[in-house]
Amino acid sequence: QKEVEQNSGPLSVPEGAIASLNCTYSDRGSQSFFWYRQYSGKSPELIMFIYSNGDKEDGRFTAQLNKASQYVSLLIRDSQPSDSATYLCAVTATTDSWGKLQFGAGTQVVVTP
Amino acid sequence: GAGVSQSPSNKVTEKGKDVELRCDPISGHTALYWYRQSLGQGLEFLIYFQGNSAPDKSGLPSDRFSAERTGGSVSTLTIQRTQQEDSAVYLCASSSLTGSSYEQYFGPGTRLTVT
Repeated sequence: QKEVEQNSGPLSVPEGAIASLNCTYSDRGSQSFFWYRQYSGKSPELIMFIYSNGDKEDGRFTAQLNKASQYVSLLIRDSQPSDSATYLCAVTATTDSWGKLQFGAGTQVVVTP
Repeated sequence: GAGVSQSPSNKVTEKGKDVELRCDPISGHTALYWYRQSLGQGLEFLIYFQGNSAPDKSGLPSDRFSAERTGGSVSTLTIQRTQQEDSAVYLCASSSLTGSSYEQYFGPGTRLTVT
């Protein structure tokens, strides 16, 4: 079982719609959760982080965390073609070094005009 | 402020040669991480430095890989006797790890091609 799981996609989203990405993790002790956006040929860019249960909003992005169910999600509202990228979920690992991240394989999002 | 920088941006080398990849973290960040991303694959953790503590080398794939961090800042990842399977993008990230802040910020990466 992978430690951080994401649907690989591609997730096709019409322009202006909401893109919903999900991520589940196996380490119940994980405390910090991150979403990175990676354009093709570029390095990952941090777009959201969340540490507490509930929702966190930043512009068109909302991260949702449910530690009891061990999932974290990312909503992208009013999706734009520029949102087309791979979105990586990352979770802190508590079994090894403090601050070390475990990454999911990523979900590819394609926003169609 | 300046982000994480890496050099070179691209490196082509012949099989069997040694290569050195450099990472300059964000000023004031005490933690530095190296990852590898092969074509179409996820991020593979390689090594982690935090302050003056012994590095976490648990992700290094073989003893041909080594890394050091001098003066708590710049880091160099060395790959000896490169093999074709070492071809990948090598990414460096840094983090402040102050208070509850664990966010990692990535550099642009070094694309290594072993011919």
